[in-house]
Amino acid sequence: SQQGEEDPQALSIQEGENATMNCSYKTSINNLQWYRQNSGRGLVHLILIRSNEREKHSGRLRVTLDTSKKSSSLLITASRAADTASYFCASGGSNYKLTFGKGTLLTVNP
Amino acid sequence: SAVISQKPSRDICQRGTSLTIQCQVDSQVTMMFWYRQQPGQSLTLIATANQGSEATYESGFVIDKFPISRPNLTFSTLTVSNMSPEDSSIYLCSVDSGNPDTQYFGPGTRLTVL
Repeated sequence: SQQGEEDPQALSIQEGENATMNCSYKTSINNLQWYRQNSGRGLVHLILIRSNEREKHSGRLRVTLDTSKKSSSLLITASRAADTASYFCASGGSNYKLTFGKGTLLTVNP
Repeated sequence: SAVISQKPSRDICQRGTSLTIQCQVDSQVTMMFWYRQQPGQSLTLIATANQGSEATYESGFVIDKFPISRPNLTFSTLTVSNMSPEDSSIYLCSVDSGNPDTQYFGPGTRLTVL
């Protein structure tokens, strides 16, 4: 089964700075997704990138995918205190199942 | 996007008892999923619940411990049976969004077993 690993496990930055989180996975995928979770609540879908795409943007989010290295990165630009949350990558296969990584806890200090 | 609610939002239960968690969606969906998130950990898929058929469980999860019902296209329940402190987790339901591969998540049920 796939298993995602994010690094860093925790990241603390100042408001206005950029935050970069990385994710690795082990098997072939159809897509790679990023979700945000605030304080142990439900997850919110942020962005999806398909296996044939290399880069995608959505607002202040930029995600890249390198299938040769089985890795992805999520960049949040101009961070805000409200971006403080845990961020998870999830790899999607052909059966609608998602395999989640361990997550990065992002703290944005005002 | 689908609006998903879960009941209860949290509960504290005694060892050996069972708790049933409800998941309600505001629209009809084909697939519903149940996840467990142990303290400080990531999400692990427990099972996939499809209407009209038995749930499909992932490795390490069994129906006797986590029976699931899916009586219609907007509702599902997950029961955590014969609970022990190791079952203390957040349990989340999710649904397929209609867009391939994306899921919408409920707010979660925080369970503490004493």
